[in-house]
Amino acid sequence: ETGVTQSPTHLIKTRGQQVTLRCSSQSGHNTVSWYQQALGQGPQFIFQYYREEENGRGNFPPRFSGLQFPNYSSELNVNALELDDSALYLCASSPGEASYEQYFGPGTRLTVT
Amino acid sequence: EDQVTQSPEALRLQEGESSSLNCSYTVSGLRGLFWYRQDPGKGPEFLFTLYSAGEEKEKERLKATLTKKESFLHITAPKPEDSATYLCAVEVAGGSYIPTFGRGTSLIVHP
Repeated sequence: ETGVTQSPTHLIKTRGQQVTLRCSSQSGHNTVSWYQQALGQGPQFIFQYYREEENGRGNFPPRFSGLQFPNYSSELNVNALELDDSALYLCASSPGEASYEQYFGPGTRLTVT
Repeated sequence: EDQVTQSPEALRLQEGESSSLNCSYTVSGLRGLFWYRQDPGKGPEFLFTLYSAGEEKEKERLKATLTKKESFLHITAPKPEDSATYLCAVEVAGGSYIPTFGRGTSLIVHP
């Protein structure tokens, strides 16, 4: 059974640029959630996709957007990057709509300079 | 506003010295409370889900318990490999499936 994978592992961008992060869900999982984790903080929920539809959104501005594809893989897009966007971005998949058991990927470390 | 507070922020134990981590929450209604373990530079690893007060779950040296206001993660006779950050998260009943995480407790177990 393949776990959750994310790419790239590290990324350095300049303020104002755009970035796309990718996630492949664990086999059999139809729900994917994205989180932002700043250093020393717990993960903050960005949004969740269930069967290709956005199913919930945290307190993040519209420049954070996402997609889920028919194979349940997912993308997180961030436009107009700001310095405060520097963080570990985590993707988690689960077998259903609720977050009862989420399986996290290793994360993408984004640095904005 | 729903809140999740974990204490202590950091904990140092000697190998074999049992202790407990606390997660207190203030939510309008609890759907579920989750415990995760996170190693440095990695994504969180799911440990337990608790749904109702009085519930307990165990896994190896870890035991999670739940009351109406807080959850405890008891670590019995810890080993150095138990060193990690332990995260607690809650989901509110009746709303979207949006978990709120605490800031975590950083545990170091010395040999």
